[in-house]
Amino acid sequence: GAVVSQHPSRVICKSGTSVKIECRSLDFQATTMFWYRQFPKQSLMLMATSNEGSKATYEQGVEKDKFLINHASLTLSTLTVTSAHPEDSSFYICSASIPKGNSPLHFGNGTRLTVT
Amino acid sequence: GNSVTQMEGPVTLSEEAFLTINCTYTATGYPSLFWYVQYPGEGLQLLLKATKADDKGSNKGFEATYRKETTSFHLEKGSVQVSDSAVYFCALSEQRAQKLVFGQGTRLTINP
Repeated sequence: GAVVSQHPSRVICKSGTSVKIECRSLDFQATTMFWYRQFPKQSLMLMATSNEGSKATYEQGVEKDKFLINHASLTLSTLTVTSAHPEDSSFYICSASIPKGNSPLHFGNGTRLTVT
Repeated sequence: GNSVTQMEGPVTLSEEAFLTINCTYTATGYPSLFWYVQYPGEGLQLLLKATKADDKGSNKGFEATYRKETTSFHLEKGSVQVSDSAVYFCALSEQRAQKLVFGQGTRLTINP
């Protein structure tokens, strides 16, 4: 079964509004989660690494103030797209790893964001 | 920096055909290599992985061998099914880093 739950799966919002996406690890504690963005028919680009209890680490070119990441607990990380614009429309996917040995990353089912 | 290059798609095959999706990588250290699959409208699922040279990952009839000498991790399946239609991503991560670097993805369509 799924080990990472992402919500919502789809969201449509108007330009200028903010949208929050949740990523939960199920049955395990994830000190680190990752947020990816996928453009249509393209690969996944890592946006940021979410660290529980500390600031997220953003990849080059990703606006920190635009994509707010909060990792307030060991099972929940949130990505907030602030003042969304149509160019922010994309597929956002989170991932987390069970902190045991060489466990691979498990991905959420993604969130399709459409900004009108 | 690290990078992954996959063969460009889309790839269209008939059922029971042999599949190869090429993947090569560039890395400074000794990465782990992965194949992920994404079915329509879903997130990514780990298909198989290999953590060191000459390792072979396998799952659901798919195989890939970690070739250090050619820096490759080609995905193969002897007889594809319609249900294998999806987008396949090759990826690497540095040991213990867990951050994944993805290839551009290859869309596979299998016709009955």
